[in-house]
Amino acid sequence: DGGITQSPKYLFRKEGQNVTLSCEQNLNHDAMYWYRQDPGQGLRLIYYSQIVNDFQKGDIAEGYSVSREKKESFPLTVTSAQKNPTAFYLCASSPRTDYSNQPQHFGDGTRLSIL
Amino acid sequence: GENVEQHPSTLSVQEGDSAVIKCTYSDSASNYFPWYKQELGKGPQLIIDIRSNVGEKKDQRIAVTLNKTAKHFSLHITETQPEDSAVYFCAALLSGGYQKVTFGIGTKLQVIP
Repeated sequence: DGGITQSPKYLFRKEGQNVTLSCEQNLNHDAMYWYRQDPGQGLRLIYYSQIVNDFQKGDIAEGYSVSREKKESFPLTVTSAQKNPTAFYLCASSPRTDYSNQPQHFGDGTRLSIL
Repeated sequence: GENVEQHPSTLSVQEGDSAVIKCTYSDSASNYFPWYKQELGKGPQLIIDIRSNVGEKKDQRIAVTLNKTAKHFSLHITETQPEDSAVYFCAALLSGGYQKVTFGIGTKLQVIP
């Protein structure tokens, strides 16, 4: 089955620690996205990537970093600079979007908590 | 930028009744409007979408309507069932460049058996 796999499902971070969330897709999608979801709020965009080796900041990029070395993979690092990292993190992907709108497909998320 | 407002934030209905969730958007250039259903501990799943050249779309018990003039769109679920209980998100998409998607804050739907 094609889809998006996020791991781990639950992650705990200690003070001053960087942690990396994994996102892998086998849908052959060009674009990938990271969102943060907090209770009572919609999805907020952290970073996005339209092609390999290229990515752009979203609305709340401070304290986060990403890489896109492979089409299938778009890992997100939550750095120690992110002072309020407790949230549900969602990865999404979509086909190339130059000429038509296509829906984003989501993984099942990673819940990050502070120890 | 685009702003999407969604209401109500919570909705309780009796099983078998209909549920309606409404969204408004601000940017008249938006031309694609997906709806997602998110179950507890899962990621959002696309349930229906509509493009700006269509006024209504139906898929079994789910329908979406779009009024471009008023800049609002709605999700209609008929004959609700307990498994419809979830959080529903609307979104508006502005084409051009990457997919700049603006999501509503979500509606928590509870279907009471």
